[in-house]
Amino acid sequence: QKEVEQDPGPLSVPEGAIVSLNCTYSNSAFQYFMWYRQYSRKGPELLMYTYSSGNKEDGRFTAQVDKSSKYISLFIRDSQPSDSATYLCAGLRGSARQLTFGSGTQLTVLP
Amino acid sequence: GAGVSQSPSNKVTEKGKDVELRCDPISGHTALYWYRQSLGQGLEFLIYFQGNSAPDKSGLPSDRFSAERTGGSVSTLTIQRTQQEDSAVYLCASSQLRNTEAFFGQGTRLTVV
Repeated sequence: QKEVEQDPGPLSVPEGAIVSLNCTYSNSAFQYFMWYRQYSRKGPELLMYTYSSGNKEDGRFTAQVDKSSKYISLFIRDSQPSDSATYLCAGLRGSARQLTFGSGTQLTVLP
Repeated sequence: GAGVSQSPSNKVTEKGKDVELRCDPISGHTALYWYRQSLGQGLEFLIYFQGNSAPDKSGLPSDRFSAERTGGSVSTLTIQRTQQEDSAVYLCASSQLRNTEAFFGQGTRLTVV
């Protein structure tokens, strides 16, 4: 079993829709949870990270962590065609420095 | 530089040849990571350098893979006797000490034919 599981999609939504991207994880030692966005043929870029449980909001993006169910979510409000990319979730143990990634969800926002 | 720089951006090599991939991290970043991304897969950790400490090589898939970091800056990932299954995008990232934000380069797309 992978430590971080993510539905690969693809996911296609109309412009303006609310997008929900989800991951589950199995390693209870994860303390930080990240969401990266990766455009085609580019390196991943960090969108947001959260420490432990709870919500974090940044503009149209909200990251949510539920440690009791080991569930990570990213919500995108008022989605735009420029949001079309692959979204990668990742977990990080406090004692380690390397991230453990999910396989990524490919999102397309249709104009 | 402004960001993490990797070269070459694309590399096609024949099976059995050795390849070297280069990463130039963000100035001042003490931590450097190599990851591998195969088609449709997430990023797979390969190796981690932190300052002058011994690198964490726990992710290297075989002894054909090695990496070094000279002077705490530029890093080179070497793959010897390349195999077709080595075809992937090799990504380098760097971060400041105790900083959870790792910045990635654009990657080197390696194709072994």
